[in-house]
Amino acid sequence: GAVVSQHPSWVICKSGTSVKIECRSLDFQATTMFWYRQFPKQSLMLMATSNEGSKATYEQGVEKDKFLINHASLTLSTLTVTSAHPEDSSFYICSAPESPWNEQFFGPGTRLTVL
Amino acid sequence: AQSVTQLGSHVSVSEGALVLLRCNYSSSVPPYLFWYVQYPNQGLQLLLKYTTGATLVKGINGFEAEFKKSETSFHLTKPSAHMSDAAEYFCAVSRNTGNQFYFGTGTSLTVIP
Repeated sequence: GAVVSQHPSWVICKSGTSVKIECRSLDFQATTMFWYRQFPKQSLMLMATSNEGSKATYEQGVEKDKFLINHASLTLSTLTVTSAHPEDSSFYICSAPESPWNEQFFGPGTRLTVL
Repeated sequence: AQSVTQLGSHVSVSEGALVLLRCNYSSSVPPYLFWYVQYPNQGLQLLLKYTTGATLVKGINGFEAEFKKSETSFHLTKPSAHMSDAAEYFCAVSRNTGNQFYFGTGTSLTVIP
């Protein structure tokens, strides 16, 4: 089946720095990708919908200026956590549908730890 | 609006016993329903999904789930638990397979030897 990758798989950064997480669809094109956040022992919460060639759509309560999303191509979406703080430490997972009506594939996740 | 409720954040079963993980959904449109499994520090693995057609859906690793519209449920079952089934399980609903997913809070399954 289709594959979605994320890079890095694990990142530790100091408070106040910015971290970029990449989500790639390896063998298919994705005009839409989704970003989720999962806190320890909790469920996945949708953060935003990334749209190729246009602005991302953010869920209520998600700061768009803090979580910058860029869908630069049909195979790449990036999530940049700006001025990261310890409360941003989480597991970030992206997903992409192979086409608007086909199965959605999840990336393996990126664990962010902010010291 | 769509939402998912998973009853029981923790379920323990003996090895070889029946596994039953409960999921109820709310959806204003005919739902697409999914069960995912997550092992520690890993991403999500699709167990099974219901889109249309047969309401009893069989998935990987011996799991199956039945879509019951009248009960708005999509419970996950496995006849005989294996130690390797210990993991976190998430039920999810979507308008279609390509849209955003709404996840339940998850159920942690422990298998007792």
